[in-house]
Amino acid sequence: DIVMTQSPLSLPVTPGEPASISCRSSQSLLHSDGNTYLDWYLQKPGQSPQLLIYLGSNRASGVPDRFSGSGSGTDFTLKISRVEADDVGVYYCMQATQTPYAFGQGTKLEMK
Amino acid sequence: EVQLVESGGGLVQPGGSLTLSCAASGFTFSNVWMSWVRQAPGKGLEWVGRIRSKAAGGTTDYDAFVKGRFSISRDDSGNTLYLQMNSLKTEDTAMYYCVREPHFDYWGQGTLVTVS
Repeated sequence: DIVMTQSPLSLPVTPGEPASISCRSSQSLLHSDGNTYLDWYLQKPGQSPQLLIYLGSNRASGVPDRFSGSGSGTDFTLKISRVEADDVGVYYCMQATQTPYAFGQGTKLEMK
Repeated sequence: EVQLVESGGGLVQPGGSLTLSCAASGFTFSNVWMSWVRQAPGKGLEWVGRIRSKAAGGTTDYDAFVKGRFSISRDDSGNTLYLQMNSLKTEDTAMYYCVREPHFDYWGQGTLVTVS
């Protein structure tokens, strides 16, 4: 099974400053169909998770361009160019290249 | 508007059974693969399993912790996804979400299952 490892697990950020979260997989997420099934989600306090980034670098509908995803193979990064107060919550990466799908442990972003 | 509405959660004793439902609307349910994801209180997200569309065979995949205890099914005529859970354990206590594939672009609000 593929194991997903995120870092850091806690991320205090000053509003207006950038933030970056790393996600590493125990195996390459490159699928035989040529896609890399790595998604990013944000779970705001008291809410269901919401999709931010799919296929590693594609922003979901309605997601601000402050959010960007990059990476390939086993190393992926979510970047927020300028953190806003509404960005607080827990960020998860997830691989869907093979079953069982697997989430990272989550990174809690909070305001300094 | 896409909507996923889970129901059926509640309190159940260890060893008991429960069936969760997820009512889908706003999209062609029969064309879509669906998954269940759970979240224990204060913990992270955990994938439970998925069901393919009938066109893709309608087959299912599960995480190993299910070990034959859970079963996912679908009623395309009623636009409803199900999760049948048997032999429940205390560690199955969690919020259960149904999610639309690919990319889990829509999530329900969740239904809470408490095994105690």
